[in-house]
Amino acid sequence: GAGVSQSPRYKVTKRGQDVALRCDPISGHVSLYWYRQALGQGPEFLTYFNYEAQQDKSGLPNDRFSAERPEGSISTLTIQRTEQRDSAMYRCASSPGTGAYEQYFGPGTRLTVT
Amino acid sequence: ILNVEQSPQSLHVQEGDSTNFTCSFPSSNFYALHWYRWETAKSPEALFVMTLNGDEKKKGRISATLNTKEGYSYLYIKGSQPEDSATYLCAFRRVNDMRFGAGTRLTVKP
Repeated sequence: GAGVSQSPRYKVTKRGQDVALRCDPISGHVSLYWYRQALGQGPEFLTYFNYEAQQDKSGLPNDRFSAERPEGSISTLTIQRTEQRDSAMYRCASSPGTGAYEQYFGPGTRLTVT
Repeated sequence: ILNVEQSPQSLHVQEGDSTNFTCSFPSSNFYALHWYRWETAKSPEALFVMTLNGDEKKKGRISATLNTKEGYSYLYIKGSQPEDSATYLCAFRRVNDMRFGAGTRLTVKP
């Protein structure tokens, strides 16, 4: 079946613009995670959802970052007033349950803020 | 501060060698320990999820053990092959968040 998909795959934006990054989890997966990954580094946890409920957003760097998953499926990570330091790979992952399940990662969105 | 440490940072072995590396994590508030295989420019690929102290998991030539009381997990690769070359990431999960280590970069020379 289809894996986790993310769009856009690449996004170049100017400093100060808002961007919205989309994640389509594997069908039926109830948990969805957002990560940021700097070049050559492991993923950095941002936030996650069980169904539509955001469980923890302590990993979000600041209040310019927000995420939603209104119907418990597709999720959007929004970055307002982007800054150059926001440039990174943004990955989402989904898992079939709310417990300790394997997470399946999407291909990521490469964000470049100029 | 939630530190997840992986060692060594990088490892070069010859084809056929067996190897192992370590993930150290806090021993409190443990929920699960994940191992991933990650090739640069691709997405991390799940290898194992372990939850119980003493857990051992195996997938082909790769296996992992878990000690939650002392806060470490070992990943073993038996008879390394060039296609095993990748970065191996561990991630420590508390109930509501997840912290990745920086990874061990394995290079297997033919």
